[in-house]
Amino acid sequence: DIQMTQSPSSLSASVGDRVTITCQASQDISNYLNWYQQKPGKAPKLLIYDASNLETGVPSRFSGSGSGTDFTFTISSLQPEDIATYYCQQYDNLYTFGQGTKLEIK
Amino acid sequence: QITLKESGPTLVKPTQTLTLTCTFSGFSLSTSGVGVGWIRQPPGKALEWLALIYWNDDKRYSPSLKSRLTITKDTSKNQVVLTMTNMDPVDTATYYCARAYQLLYAEYFQHWGQGTLVTVSS
Repeated sequence: DIQMTQSPSSLSASVGDRVTITCQASQDISNYLNWYQQKPGKAPKLLIYDASNLETGVPSRFSGSGSGTDFTFTISSLQPEDIATYYCQQYDNLYTFGQGTKLEIK
Repeated sequence: QITLKESGPTLVKPTQTLTLTCTFSGFSLSTSGVGVGWIRQPPGKALEWLALIYWNDDKRYSPSLKSRLTITKDTSKNQVVLTMTNMDPVDTATYYCARAYQLLYAEYFQHWGQGTLVTVSS
C-alpha cells in the first residue's frame, strides 16, 4: 500500500499570506496526485489533478507542483474563504488520501 | 449538471450488512473513462477510499476492506450500490459517492455527493 503523509497537520495564517502544504508518498508515484479542499460539513472539492493541473473554475491562487515522492500545494494569497482542510490523494496504485491539513485564519 | 446522492440506512447494528445506493444524474456510467467510487470519513478524521467501479465494469477495492465490500452498477437506473458486510462501530462514518474520471494518465474524483452519515450501534 502507498502511504501519503501531509505536513503540517494544521496551520494558522493571515489573510494575504502565502501558504504551502507538503505531501510525501511512501514510494514513487510519478505525478499521479490530486488535491482536494473540504470545508466544514461539506463534501470535498477537487482543486488540482495530475499534481499541477488546476480544475476548471478553481481560482488561480491555488497551485500544485512536484513529482516522484514529494509534492507541494500552494495558496499564493490566502483568502478568508480558503479556510478548510486540504487533502492530497494518490492514484498510482489504487487510491490513498493523506491525513489532511487543517488551515485556519490567524 | 452533474449530481450524485447517497441513500441508505442511517443506523445499522453490529454484524449487519450495510447497503448504500448512489443515484446520479448528468452523466452516464456507460461513457468511456467514467466511474463511481465510494469514500468514507469517520467523524473528525481523514478521508478513506473504499471502492470504485468503472464504465467497463472494472472494479477496485481497498485492500484492507476488500473481503467485506461489493460494488455493482445499474447503468439503466444510473445507480451504483455498495455493500459492506459485518459492520462494526469503527465503521461509523459519513459515506460519500463520487464521480471518477480518467483522462490520459490523470484520474480524479471530480464530483461528489453530499454524503450520508451511517452510525453503527446496537
